[in-house]
Amino acid sequence: AQSVAQPEDQVNVAEGNPLTVKCTYSVSGNPYLFWYVQYPNRGLQFLLKYITGDNLVKGSYGFEAEFNKSQTSFHLKKPSALVSDSALYFCAVRDDTNAGKSTFGDGTTLTVKP
Amino acid sequence: KAGVTQTPRYLIKTRGQQVTLSCSPISGHRSVSWYQQTPGQGLQFLFEYFSETQRNKGNFPGRFSGRQFSNSRSEMNVSTLELGDSALYLCASSLGTVGNTIYFGEGSWLTVV
Repeated sequence: AQSVAQPEDQVNVAEGNPLTVKCTYSVSGNPYLFWYVQYPNRGLQFLLKYITGDNLVKGSYGFEAEFNKSQTSFHLKKPSALVSDSALYFCAVRDDTNAGKSTFGDGTTLTVKP
Repeated sequence: KAGVTQTPRYLIKTRGQQVTLSCSPISGHRSVSWYQQTPGQGLQFLFEYFSETQRNKGNFPGRFSGRQFSNSRSEMNVSTLELGDSALYLCASSLGTVGNTIYFGEGSWLTVV
């Protein structure tokens, strides 16, 4: 079985400050982890993914995420937030026992204030 | 390279009617999956098709069905619509193996009145 938890419904940061959006997961097999962003009235856009290898993954728009196997976490980070980063962020997991199904977290709304 | 295309983008239906939504995947992608997004329930997995076969299915009633054609285009159908079916329906495509990224379309907004 797969599950994803995004413990914070809302994250507020000031522009220029670092941001973190948290994600923890549970899978039966080896995890494949993804982050997506959704702007109002749009579909989800892919940011980055972890498959294997380096635990620090770099993605689009300056975002990165750190895979921590012992803590079963995959937190999204950015060193310096922009107002334009304000959006809804989803973490998703897949495992190698079920290639076709992705399970998504409930989403975290990020608000970056000027 | 064209992205995932969903039609129609917006539609309004009456309770009890049925609806068909269409999805054209990215060229070369053989997997198409469907999700329902609502404010209260988040993103819920409906089903996934790979090479015309349903490979995965979520926990939705039988009123929700889908199919995939030989050109990988997919349709989903909801019969006997209920007010609670009002949602954004998202289609996503990928090459189909576990590490492949799934790419989403813009979605079809369904309102049931």
